[in-house]
Amino acid sequence: RKEVEQDPGPFNVPEGATVAFNCTYSNSASQSFFWYRQDCRKEPKLLMSVYSSGNEDGRFTAQLNRASQYISLLIRDSKLSDSATYLCVVNIPGGFKTIFGAGTRLFVKA
Amino acid sequence: SQTIHQWPATLVQPVGSPLSLECTVEGTSNPNLYWYRQAAGRGLQLLFYSVGIGQISSEVPQNLSASRPQDRQFILSSKKLLLSDSGFYLCASSEGYSGNTIYFGEGSWLTVV
Repeated sequence: RKEVEQDPGPFNVPEGATVAFNCTYSNSASQSFFWYRQDCRKEPKLLMSVYSSGNEDGRFTAQLNRASQYISLLIRDSKLSDSATYLCVVNIPGGFKTIFGAGTRLFVKA
Repeated sequence: SQTIHQWPATLVQPVGSPLSLECTVEGTSNPNLYWYRQAAGRGLQLLFYSVGIGQISSEVPQNLSASRPQDRQFILSSKKLLLSDSGFYLCASSEGYSGNTIYFGEGSWLTVV
């Protein structure tokens, strides 16, 4: 099993739609989780951290399910500018490594 | 927050030629430094990480090497490039243990021909 797995997509949604991505991780001791956004031919940028109680930032909601070892990202009222690849990120506890998922591609269409 | 400068942004190199990518970090001291590679349409592959000057951990055996001559300087090198070395190379930085945010430089696009 891969350390971090994501559905590669692509997800093709119309503007205004709600879309959700899931990401599973294998190390039950992982403590830190993030979602990054990567635009085409650009570096990844932090979208949001994922907290145990779940957290929201505008149209974006992140949740953590420790029992099932997955995190999710929900995007409401999708905009054209949300088109990007979304990377799930999980830390490897006790060290300095962080594992990135391969990413989920999202296309928002007019 | 940290700022990472990485160069060159783009390069085209013939097979068998050497490589040197460099990055410097501002806004932090004693950062953890990383080199990632992203092949076309693929995820990020961790190549090297460093927790201090002169300390390098290699994740993937290959013809690349890394060095950290100064606290906030990280260099990726190769003596002889292979076609398979083509990709998007990203320098990254974080503080403390692995639970903290990772910041990326703008990346270097390498095409080996």
